[in-house]
Amino acid sequence: SQQGEEDPQALSIQEGENATMNCSYKTSINNLQWYRQNSGRGLVHLILIRSNEREKHSGRLRVTLDTSKKSSSLLITASRAADTASYFCATGSGNTGKLIFGQGTTLQVKP
Amino acid sequence: EAGVAQSPRYKIIEKRQSVAFWCNPISGHATLYWYQQILGQGPKLLIQFQNNGVVDDSQLPKDRFSAERLKGVDSTLKIQPAKLEDSAVYLCASSLGQGEETQYFGPGTRLLVL
Repeated sequence: SQQGEEDPQALSIQEGENATMNCSYKTSINNLQWYRQNSGRGLVHLILIRSNEREKHSGRLRVTLDTSKKSSSLLITASRAADTASYFCATGSGNTGKLIFGQGTTLQVKP
Repeated sequence: EAGVAQSPRYKIIEKRQSVAFWCNPISGHATLYWYQQILGQGPKLLIQFQNNGVVDDSQLPKDRFSAERLKGVDSTLKIQPAKLEDSAVYLCASSLGQGEETQYFGPGTRLLVL
């Protein structure tokens, strides 16, 4: 079953602009993660935010988590053509390490 | 550090045939996952191993799918017989331990069932 709902499904921006993707989920979580997938490739882990954290930064990435609204957002600042990919949120709960992925947002950054 | 290896990268078969996928996780990673990713969707967990034991196979269609990790390292996923709806990318991932949250993914095997 898919836990996360991502919005928008597709996003097209110009290089240099910021991109914001949102993720909503249904049940309580231990952590929420964002992964990137380039066309025809596997997923690459970007960032993890725990349920007791509200914001986290990594380079040009900023993630927020609002557990009261069961939602998260991923902001990519100063986007580059190389950021073109699909982005997935994944929620972790329990103690097995199991992740449930959302449907993903496809980002296109035009040079 | 070598990443997660998968083979083959692509496979085309006819319905009712069988197929097997192979995964070699990152050295030292105890936990191994198999996911199915249908075009346009996020990955869906099929089965999770901790060493050579199954942790979660609740979404594995056991009438046609099977997986094993006999020595707690490499793993194979088999489909027999395949159906048209099995066309997808099959991703293998590994993590250091059962409680480790970050997963490392292989490139996937793209399966087309005709």
